[in-house]
Amino acid sequence: DQQVKQNSPSLSVQEGRISILNCDYTNSMFDYFLWYKKYPAEGPTFLISISSIKDKNEDGRFTVFLNKSAKHLSLHIVPSQPGDSAVYFCAASGTPGGGGATNKLIFGTGTLLAVQP
Amino acid sequence: EAGVAQSPRYKIIEKRQSVAFWCNPISGHATLYWYQQILGQGPKLLIQFQNNGVVDDSQLPKDRFSAERLKGVDSTLKIQPAKLEDSAVYLCASSSPKLREGWNEQYFGPGTRLTVT
Repeated sequence: DQQVKQNSPSLSVQEGRISILNCDYTNSMFDYFLWYKKYPAEGPTFLISISSIKDKNEDGRFTVFLNKSAKHLSLHIVPSQPGDSAVYFCAASGTPGGGGATNKLIFGTGTLLAVQP
Repeated sequence: EAGVAQSPRYKIIEKRQSVAFWCNPISGHATLYWYQQILGQGPKLLIQFQNNGVVDDSQLPKDRFSAERLKGVDSTLKIQPAKLEDSAVYLCASSSPKLREGWNEQYFGPGTRLTVT
């Protein structure tokens, strides 16, 4: 039962253009959504998060959009840079210490982003 | 600030052998996690510790996997005996008790790549 899905295994974009990575989830009890970035031979690093009470969160070149009715979130990177080339994981969780869904992170399968110079 | 340390980085064993992984979390982080990441999949939580107590081990195959966190700092994850399907990267993560926008950010180590032949 894949509760968090990233249907695009890979994405290739030109440097300077926008990268859009998509993520869908099935559990309506998820309260927090996070994006992690992973380079080869390294552990995932936290990139940006959004809580279910918001529909947008921005941090520099990175913006995450959340559409709760569609159970869909996306990560926009503008402008894309070659150093952004990595695997991006979407993750979801319930409210830490709250009721409802477990507060452990449920990860998607990842999308490999390649930014071409 | 030093990151999460893991050792060894790579390990090759034959099936039915035993193996142990070690993790040293970021200083002061009370929560420690062990994840299994099989090739082509996202990380899956195996066990979560709060100090030296287990919070969640629902997805730990307890017939062959064990983990401990003595004194609430370092942790070891053991597999005995190993199976071919245990080939994966084993990631350790830790988080601070301070909440950031309601979520405890998890910091990951570089992982241990296990190959079972």
